[in-house]
Amino acid sequence: AQRVTQPEKLLSVFKGAPVELKCNYSYSGSPELFWYVQYSRQRLQLLLRHISRESIKGFTADLNKGETSFHLKKPFAQEEDSAMYYCALQDDKIIFGKGTRLHILP
Amino acid sequence: NAGVTQTPKFQVLKTGQSMTLQCAQDMNHEYMSWYRQDPGMGLRLIHYSVGAGITDQGEVPNGYNVSRSTTEDFPLRLLSAAPSQTSVYFCASSYRVQAGTFTDTQYFGPGTRLTVL
Repeated sequence: AQRVTQPEKLLSVFKGAPVELKCNYSYSGSPELFWYVQYSRQRLQLLLRHISRESIKGFTADLNKGETSFHLKKPFAQEEDSAMYYCALQDDKIIFGKGTRLHILP
Repeated sequence: NAGVTQTPKFQVLKTGQSMTLQCAQDMNHEYMSWYRQDPGMGLRLIHYSVGAGITDQGEVPNGYNVSRSTTEDFPLRLLSAAPSQTSVYFCASSYRVQAGTFTDTQYFGPGTRLTVL
């Protein structure tokens, strides 16, 4: 069965410090993975997808099939990065992890 | 385009009451889904639909019914509300979700905050 695990409920990071939000998945096939973000009082929105290999707002995520991970990283945290982050996996439906709240400390 | 719309924004029910949460999209998306968001539990898939006339169960379908008579609408029905159904409900849509293929962005509605007393 497909499963997405985000082990951290809350991650507090100082402004300017590196950020890593962890995501591990369980899936028998070749996964399609995404990161979604929910800023305060805004709708959930797509941040990035692994297939695009893109960098959005300074965030990147690399799919590691050996470790079944898709961690989200940013070298220098900014205060506006404070939000709820969800990792998601897709086959014929989309399943989300429990989310990690990122709190950037001034 | 209005995108994904949900009504109502807030609702309070008594245990045992029934109601329908409405979801509509004007982007001609084939795929629509319902999630509930609870603290510490993240987003859990309730039901989803890959096209008009086709629905399937997600992770937590019990207590909820759906139908997809048109491409645009995907209502979620609570048959007999229970306090455990107190949550924020999100509807989402995208062009297509199919294993092994590129998936378009999912667009989310603003959510419905439901309280069951």
